[in-house]
Amino acid sequence: GDSVTQTEGPVTVSESESLIINCTYSATSIAYPNLFWYVRYPGEGLQLLLKVITAGQKGSSRGFEATYNKETTSFHLQKASVQESDSAVYYCALGSNMGYKLTFGTGTSLLVDP
Amino acid sequence: DAGVTQTPRHEVAEKGQTIILKCEPVSGHNDLFWYRQTKIQGLELLSYFRSKSLMEDGGAFKDRFKAEMLNSSFSTLKIQPTEPKDSAVYLCASSFDREVFFGKGTRLTVV
Repeated sequence: GDSVTQTEGPVTVSESESLIINCTYSATSIAYPNLFWYVRYPGEGLQLLLKVITAGQKGSSRGFEATYNKETTSFHLQKASVQESDSAVYYCALGSNMGYKLTFGTGTSLLVDP
Repeated sequence: DAGVTQTPRHEVAEKGQTIILKCEPVSGHNDLFWYRQTKIQGLELLSYFRSKSLMEDGGAFKDRFKAEMLNSSFSTLKIQPTEPKDSAVYLCASSFDREVFFGKGTRLTVV
């Protein structure tokens, strides 16, 4: 079946340092998978951070970037300089381009030290 | 514009009890999903509806979990009977045109 594997947390980073959260996927039932990063800030619901629906493209939002790499089946999340407000749980997800059922990774908890 | 609304936000049930979780999707969304969220497993799909028709019922969750969508603006997830291992956050989500919106979830504790 389809699956997503991401960096196990918790991950602790100091403010202004760089961040990478790894994500790899396996899309056995989806011909053209779409890739997403969702984020859950403390006390809030899960929300979309960024998405990329075409292989080779890069998505970006709030200083975060992720490139859809079909060859390595990866969609790593990166940020050059994190802020304390980035502390949250980040989920990588894989979706079909039909129906939009999402398969999620287990989530990576990020704590940014001020 | 209201997002996905889930009620209750918290539920405590005794083992063996029946509980019903409720969800109101974003108006106009065609697809509705129920997920279970735990620290170990992450988000697992329980049910998926498209235009009120059940498309997927989550395989391993079939026996005690039943999701229904009687109209396009309301869905329920029934767990019967509950077991302590069902303690988790249950998320409802709806989507239209390639974007999925999540509710804040219902935290269920089964004692």
